[in-house]
Amino acid sequence: DGGITQSPKYLFRKEGQNVTLSCEQNLNHDAMYWYRQDPGQGLRLIYYSQIVNDFQKGDIAEGYSVSREKKESFPLTVTSAQKNPTAFYLCASSSGGQRGSYNEQFFGPGTRLTVL
Amino acid sequence: KNEVEQSPQNLTAQEGEFITINCSYSVGISALHWLQQHPGGGIVSLFMLSSGKKKHGRLIATINIQEKHSSLHITASHPRDSAVYICAVGAHRGSQGNLIFGKGTKLSVKP
Repeated sequence: DGGITQSPKYLFRKEGQNVTLSCEQNLNHDAMYWYRQDPGQGLRLIYYSQIVNDFQKGDIAEGYSVSREKKESFPLTVTSAQKNPTAFYLCASSSGGQRGSYNEQFFGPGTRLTVL
Repeated sequence: KNEVEQSPQNLTAQEGEFITINCSYSVGISALHWLQQHPGGGIVSLFMLSSGKKKHGRLIATINIQEKHSSLHITASHPRDSAVYICAVGAHRGSQGNLIFGKGTKLSVKP
């Protein structure tokens, strides 16, 4: 089946450690996104990538890093520089398209990160 | 003030009731999305619309571009409709297909 997978579903880390969240899609989508969700707040964009080997910072990129070496993969690293990393992280992808166009985004199941 | 506002924040309904969730936005948009998030956290896209009205089963979404307002209606609600419904807009200012999200409306349908 086509879709987006994120792993792990739950992740615990000690303060000061880096951790990498996985996101894989087999939808042949060009664009991929990482969002953060906190209680009582809307999703906020961390990073996005419109094409392989290219990515851009979103609204809250500080303390995070990404790579896009393959079309189907967009891993997110939460670094020790992220002051408040405990949150629910969602990955999404879309077919991209022309600059300024909007296509439906498909979301993964999410990873809940807890910093101990 | 948030660029995307949803109301109500929380909604409890009895099975069978007609439900309306509202979304107002303050930016120019290219498209508006309605998303559904179940307790496990996964998000499903329900609608993407830029004008008029769309219907899928018991769900109806409308948008009024002039008034910068959209509504999501659920007819004959059922307990399985219980979820958080999120409105998101693709704003003109962003040229990368990014979305601005509302905080969501938590719907609980009682049997």
